[in-house]
Amino acid sequence: AQKVTQAQTEISVVEKEDVTLDCVYETRDTTYYLFWYKQPPSGELVFLIRRNSFDEQNEISGRYSWNFQKSTSSFNFTITASQVVDSAVYFCALRIYNTDKLIFGTGTRLQVFP
Amino acid sequence: SQTIHQWPATLVQPVGSPLSLECTVEGTSNPNLYWYRQAAGRGLQLLFYSVGIGQISSEVPQNLSASRPQDRQFILSSKKLLLSDSGFYLCAWRIGATNEKLFFGSGTQLSVL
Repeated sequence: AQKVTQAQTEISVVEKEDVTLDCVYETRDTTYYLFWYKQPPSGELVFLIRRNSFDEQNEISGRYSWNFQKSTSSFNFTITASQVVDSAVYFCALRIYNTDKLIFGTGTRLQVFP
Repeated sequence: SQTIHQWPATLVQPVGSPLSLECTVEGTSNPNLYWYRQAAGRGLQLLFYSVGIGQISSEVPQNLSASRPQDRQFILSSKKLLLSDSGFYLCAWRIGATNEKLFFGSGTQLSVL
């Protein structure tokens, strides 16, 4: 069975600190996709990134970076120089190729204080 | 551009009352549509998804049902609400298998009292 684990329930940092959100997934399938979504206080989920299982290259987008390691089944998300606007719940998710089901982790609430 | 509308934003209903949450998508055709529930302190649980009019797949047995009467309309219903139905309900859509991004609506906070 597939599963996504976000062990960090809540993280608090002070502005400008770097913070890493952990995501560990479980699947026996060889082709799958991993996602990160941001849920600000407004409630609407915002797509951040998708990676497929054959692409282990790390990705950087501004202050955001993602570290995908198949050897440890992890897809961690790092925010560099965090800002108050980064405060939100962040969800990691897994989708198996050729299925419609997106399996979410329980989310990590990030609070960035000024 | 595509937009997704979900209403109402908040809803307080007594136990045993019926429920109808509506979601519509604009600016696209034949989207895959989804209903998720986010319970307090938990992740998002997929409830239903639909790949076309009248086609509904249920992920978990429950007190809820879904219908898709039109291409861009997805309705979540219940005949009699339970306390355990309380939660934050999110509608989402994507275009088939060619677009991996899942776009979410603004959600409905349902409180069953």
